[in-house]
Amino acid sequence: QKEVEQNSGPLSVPEGAIASLNCTYSDRGSQSFFWYRQYSGKSPELIMFIYSNGDKEDGRFTAQLNKASQYVSLLIRDSQPSDSATYLCAVKVSGGYNKLIFGAGTRLAVHP
Amino acid sequence: DGGITQSPKYLFRKEGQNVTLSCEQNLNHDAMYWYRQDPGQGLRLIYYSQIVNDFQKGDIAEGYSVSREKKESFPLTVTSAQKNPTAFYLCASRVPTGELFFGEGSRLTVL
Repeated sequence: QKEVEQNSGPLSVPEGAIASLNCTYSDRGSQSFFWYRQYSGKSPELIMFIYSNGDKEDGRFTAQLNKASQYVSLLIRDSQPSDSATYLCAVKVSGGYNKLIFGAGTRLAVHP
Repeated sequence: DGGITQSPKYLFRKEGQNVTLSCEQNLNHDAMYWYRQDPGQGLRLIYYSQIVNDFQKGDIAEGYSVSREKKESFPLTVTSAQKNPTAFYLCASRVPTGELFFGEGSRLTVL
């Protein structure tokens, strides 16, 4: 069974700090990785995707991928209360029909 | 505007009833997906479809059925065989680069 693991949190950070969210996956053949943000009661929205080892930056968000360690992370700089949400890591597993497996999510709370 | 429309947003069902959740997209995407989300859990894949008239079971397909007669539409039927259907149901479509975009979801409650 291919799995995606995340710490459920809550991860509590002060406003303006860097929030670091982590994700590990079991399928060594995975090539595509996604971060989604989900506000309570709402559907997930895509924040970033990353395919290559290293860092990818988009505004206040940086995704980091290390395929050798089967680890992907999301950094949120200058965290704002509006960033308080659950962050879902998703991995496209190898083989088959473009199947994405989601982690259970990490709940982030940014306090003023 | 392009997007994915799910209906109804809220649905109540009595035990033993089948219900159908609608999912329509005007994004011209080939692939569509149905996920289920329970409190404190991640999204679990129910069914997915790569093209019209083709679909595959996901990880938790038992008690569900789908059809894909049109590119724009991928309805999900929750049958009476699904023993614990109360959940948040999410439909998504996939862009060629792999990202999924989700509809607003349908929340089903069994009374």
